[in-house]
Amino acid sequence: KNEVEQSPQNLTAQEGEFITINCSYSVGISALHWLQQHPGGGIVSLFMLSSGKKKHGRLIATINIQEKHSSLHITASHPRDSAVYICAARPNSGGSNYKLTFGKGTLLTVNP
Amino acid sequence: DAGVTQSPTHLIKTRGQHVTLRCSPISGHKSVSWYQQVLGQGPQFIFQYYEKEERGRGNFPDRFSARQFPNYSSELNVNALLLGDSALYLCASSLVPYDLPLHFGNGTRLTVT
Repeated sequence: KNEVEQSPQNLTAQEGEFITINCSYSVGISALHWLQQHPGGGIVSLFMLSSGKKKHGRLIATINIQEKHSSLHITASHPRDSAVYICAARPNSGGSNYKLTFGKGTLLTVNP
Repeated sequence: DAGVTQSPTHLIKTRGQHVTLRCSPISGHKSVSWYQQVLGQGPQFIFQYYEKEERGRGNFPDRFSARQFPNYSSELNVNALLLGDSALYLCASSLVPYDLPLHFGNGTRLTVT
């Protein structure tokens, strides 16, 4: 079982819809990283958070440390948001701090 | 400033050959990490280097090796290539180890035939 689980694996939405992607992790973490991967492979960092909530434009990320859960929300989705969204957890177990554990990603397709 | 750059962008090799992938970090970043991403999966950690020293290694066989140069650029080497080594190889840099966010390159797509 992967230490970081994402849901759903695939998500199709109509333009304008509110999107939620979930990430659950089984180990204690010091930080969680949300990433966006475009079809060509390039990965862009969206958020790094260790508590609470962060917002950037139409994107909102939240994390609940007690429940070991994070969500990425996209408001007023647009076809250009179509990409794979990946969460990665940085464990807080001493020397393993370097070893990010990645979820498998959520493929989001937003139709016009 | 240029982002993380990787070369080549695409590569086709045959089984048994070896391959060298290259990565230049963002200027000022001293830590480089390598990841393998198989189609449909998230990236898997291979190596982290900092100040030219290996600081971490993932669960990959000894056919995989890497090094970091004085200018903080890095090479990933894979010997005796297998079909299963076909993947997108991603490099990421950060100021220091443990630092987030990571800055990723666009990757090298390796196909082994």
